[in-house]
Amino acid sequence: DADVTQTPRNRITKTGKRIMLECSQTKGHDRMYWYRQDPGLGLRLIYYSFDVKDINKGEISDGYSVSRQAQAKFSLSLESAIPNQTALYFCATSEGTSNYGYTFGSGTRLTVV
Amino acid sequence: KQEVTQIPAALSVPEGENLVLNCSFTDSAIYNLQWFRQDPGKGLTSLLLIQSSQREQTSGRLNASLDKSSGRSTLYIAASQPGDSATYLCQHAGNNRKLIWGLGTSLAVNP
Repeated sequence: DADVTQTPRNRITKTGKRIMLECSQTKGHDRMYWYRQDPGLGLRLIYYSFDVKDINKGEISDGYSVSRQAQAKFSLSLESAIPNQTALYFCATSEGTSNYGYTFGSGTRLTVV
Repeated sequence: KQEVTQIPAALSVPEGENLVLNCSFTDSAIYNLQWFRQDPGKGLTSLLLIQSSQREQTSGRLNASLDKSSGRSTLYIAASQPGDSATYLCQHAGNNRKLIWGLGTSLAVNP
């Protein structure tokens, strides 16, 4: 099994729908992150969490929300999907108080039509 | 605004060549710098991490260097192979632990 698992791998949804992307990890890391990746814009941080009770907005959090259900689980929600949220979404984890052991999931390709 | 720039954006080389990928950064208060590889449609894999106190790190055919004074890091790939074809990204971690990513260099190694 992968260290960081994202579900679904691919998703097509309609504008206005609510959608949840899930991430689970077996690394035992405290830190978890959600990124989106767009051509020409690179990786942009949506939200990050240092532990279950510590959740922080990243640079592009508008239109997104997250839930850290447990140390191993961090989900990303799009409350009302819009076409410009079409992107490749990545969950990642890292150790302790640093970026050591940075581990990515395989990504979720989301298309909003 | 602190930035990380990777040059070139794309590179195509014949198999067997030695090559250098560049990463420059504006924040000299660096904690570490990390190089990642991304295969198409997949997540990123960490290749090498260089602490601010280090000058270089090596793993197999890969060597990464760090020059804080000039704000540059290079990733050297020796004897390139088609399997090295991927996008390579650098990640700058500042002393405030903020992470900044470059846009990546897309590498194609042709047989």
